[in-house]
Amino acid sequence: GAGVSQSPSNKVTEKGKDVELRCDPISGHTALYWYRQRLGQGLEFLIYFQGNSAPDKSGLPSDRFSAERTGESVSTLTIQRTQQEDSAVYLCASSSGQGGVYGYTFGSGTRLTVV
Amino acid sequence: QKEVEQNSGPLSVPEGAIASLNCTYSDRVSQSFFWYRQYSGKSPELIMSIYSNGDKEDGRFTAQLNKASQYVSLLIRDSQPSDSATYLCAVNDPRKTSYDKVIFGPGTSLSVIP
Repeated sequence: GAGVSQSPSNKVTEKGKDVELRCDPISGHTALYWYRQRLGQGLEFLIYFQGNSAPDKSGLPSDRFSAERTGESVSTLTIQRTQQEDSAVYLCASSSGQGGVYGYTFGSGTRLTVV
Repeated sequence: QKEVEQNSGPLSVPEGAIASLNCTYSDRVSQSFFWYRQYSGKSPELIMSIYSNGDKEDGRFTAQLNKASQYVSLLIRDSQPSDSATYLCAVNDPRKTSYDKVIFGPGTSLSVIP
């Protein structure tokens, strides 16, 4: 597609429920990243995928968080048993190869509210 | 010491002035440097990248890099109210030899006063 697409744009869920967030990267981009941004805070790295390599999961805050990516296409970020502190905007970004060289293109984000 | 540091601001400048945003990084081996702009309620947008010492100009924006001082800056000339945003500095993660990932600073909030 023309840009990074994320869905849903907004999600309100009850504490304890599972949620699934979707990211569709720019076609041909091999690298895909997930970040979390709490209100008024900076970007918190969660996970990234590079082609068919093992993902870098070093930023996932707990085992309630997981992510998958099929090949070089769509990725889903799953949060199990959501907590109020999970409320944030979840941003997905993609890059044509090395994000540390070419930079990232971000999607518009999913605003998650846990009530 | 944090890996990428920025003054949180807010930085306020009058319309038409030069806004100067600063960033320092901790690892000397870093090679790629980026500036992202994030409007309130929006996602970050890449506006500048710089890889070698010196200045890089793009319209009203100039990125400056000094690797010896581990310092990168962004100058915005003829600042406009539409430049009011948070500016994020990012540096390639030096722990990743494949240059796959960047580390973001906390951002500096800029307000251009009409």
